[in-house]
Formats: sequence, C-alpha cells, structure tokens
Amino acid sequence: GAVVSQHPSWVICKSGTSVKIECRSLDFQATTMFWYRQFPKQSLMLMATSNEGSKATYEQGVEKDKFLINHASLTLSTLTVTSAHPEDSSFYICSARSHANSNQPQHFGDGTRLSIL
Amino acid sequence: AQSVTQPDIHITVSEGASLELRCNYSYGATPYLFWYVQSPGQGLQLLLKYFSGDTLVQGIKGFEAEFKRSQSSFNLRKPSVHWSDAAEYFCAVGASGNTGKLIFGQGTTLQVKP
Repeated sequence: GAVVSQHPSWVICKSGTSVKIECRSLDFQATTMFWYRQFPKQSLMLMATSNEGSKATYEQGVEKDKFLINHASLTLSTLTVTSAHPEDSSFYICSARSHANSNQPQHFGDGTRLSIL
Repeated sequence: AQSVTQPDIHITVSEGASLELRCNYSYGATPYLFWYVQSPGQGLQLLLKYFSGDTLVQGIKGFEAEFKRSQSSFNLRKPSVHWSDAAEYFCAVGASGNTGKLIFGQGTTLQVKP
C-alpha cells in the first residue's frame, strides 16, 4: 500500500518551455503532498507543501510564479516549471501523506529528472 | 532549531558484515523519526519509523533502529549487509507543528564491497 506515482520520470526540453510533473497517490487519499528538489549528491530540499483544495505553501527562496503547484484532488498534485531554464535542471521528487497528523510518514514518488537544454 | 545530522557522508562495508549508520537530531519534544533509503535515480523508500513506545524499531529489509533519547540518536543497523543494500540513506525528523514536514539529514552513501 501507500504507492505514489510520479510522471514523467525523465524529461528533456528546450529553454523557455514549461514542464508539468504529476504526482498521484494510487491507493490512498493524500491530504498533503510535498515537492522537493534534489541536487546531485545532496539531500532533499523542500520546495512547497500542497494541501488539497488550497494554495500551496512555498519555502523561503522558492519562486511561486516559477514553480506552480496545483492540488486539485486528494490523489493528484502537479508541479509546473514555467519558462524553464538550464538552472532549473534537477531531480524533482514528490511525496504524499494520508493524514494531517505529523506522525504519518511521507510516501515518495520515484522522481522526475528534468534537463533543460 | 530542529536539525538532523548524519556524521558519515560515505561508508563502505564488506558484504555480510554488520552495518550501523549514525543519526543525531536536535528537537525539543519527543521526535517522530524516520529512515529512508534512496537507490540511484529513484525516490525514497521508507525503511522504518519511530513515534513512541519500544525504542528498538524493526523495519523492512532486515533493518532496525534504536531511539536513544539521552544521546539524541536514532542509529540504523543491519546485522548482515547484502550487495543490494548499496544506496543513499536519509534520516529524518518530523518538524514541529502539524505541517507534516520532514527535516532530512545530509544522507549517508553506503557502498558494499563483494
């Protein structure tokens, strides 16, 4: 149980285009989803917290107009990287949690490797 | 401020040998603690978690971890390492407040020698 599917797993696109990444909880309802960015050989950096039906909460230093997050249903959240540039190339990972209690673990997707040419 | 420290950036062990990965945390109250494993190019998989109760926690793949409040530690152990255990291991603590956020350590890379 607690499977999170992330799509696409890998994307290459030209500079200036927008890229949408989907995160789905397959067998549970995710009240909260999280979006992370991970640089090579580094830990995960939380970008934003997304609660179903409300605006995402962004971490300090993360541009909300650059990284658009939508959590329209209890099983789907999307991250759109707008007007992507080479510096946005990274590994993006989502996670989902089924309950509001802080002791519930996050379940992670397999990540999306984004390469901007 | 809350923080998680994994003192060992890289560890190499021989296959069949025992393993201990260290994790120290800084948190005012009783922490919620997690260990995750990440294989190259993939997301994170939950190995085990500690919320309360028995301080020795059993997880998947033969891993266990022991919560020691006096040492602010939550070290991960495995009695006999397999080559497939080579991966990146992250310790995390649940952030205060009901946000569900996790604070991750920097990770420990485990290499397994044949």
